[in-house]
Amino acid sequence: ETGVTQTPRHLVMGMTNKKSLKCEQHLGHNAMYWYKQSAKKPLELMFVYNFKEQTENNSVPSRFSPECPNSSHLFLHLHTLQPEDSALYLCASSFLPPSAGNQPQHFGDGTRLSIL
Amino acid sequence: AQTVTQSQPEMSVQEAETVTLSCTYDTSESDYYLFWYKQPPSRQMILVIRQEAYKQQNATENRFSVNFQKAAKSFSLKISDSQLGDAAMYFCAYGANDMRFGAGTRLTVKP
Repeated sequence: ETGVTQTPRHLVMGMTNKKSLKCEQHLGHNAMYWYKQSAKKPLELMFVYNFKEQTENNSVPSRFSPECPNSSHLFLHLHTLQPEDSALYLCASSFLPPSAGNQPQHFGDGTRLSIL
Repeated sequence: AQTVTQSQPEMSVQEAETVTLSCTYDTSESDYYLFWYKQPPSRQMILVIRQEAYKQQNATENRFSVNFQKAAKSFSLKISDSQLGDAAMYFCAYGANDMRFGAGTRLTVKP
């Protein structure tokens, strides 16, 4: 148990569906992250939220829409996804003073997403 | 852009033996952090060890230690007395303004 919980663990959806991934942390962290993990590729940072404000969007297609209603919750809304979007989506959280790179990130178990 | 390279996609070690996983990185920053994460089949990424670039002394956590060569931009992980539970994907990560991960090394531990 790392304090970062992701739901669902598995998700299968068609390309026309709309679904959301949820991440919740109870570690008192002020930053949350979405990563995409594809086979044999480095983890791809998608979004960073610092105190609920989005501070980074790494050229992620608009079919991925993040939402951070508070510092403990992070969502990734999905719509009109493509087969190449099938991957493991990992959420992480950390303290963020002053930059994202000097604090260990705590990860959730991930959501395994399959696009049909 | 900072990049992290793990040149060994797969490694294998005999139980109780020692194994070293390689990692190199590219950066123009002078102040940064380096991490090794472990991802077992359960999928959860777990921090194994952390090194601050301004520290010359290599970090150690029980059976895990690093060989940090700042000039060479090398950050290898040594696992001593390998155990079956060490089998996992190992990711090297570089942190400055944000975090960048390598592609990972899959470690198999043979009984």
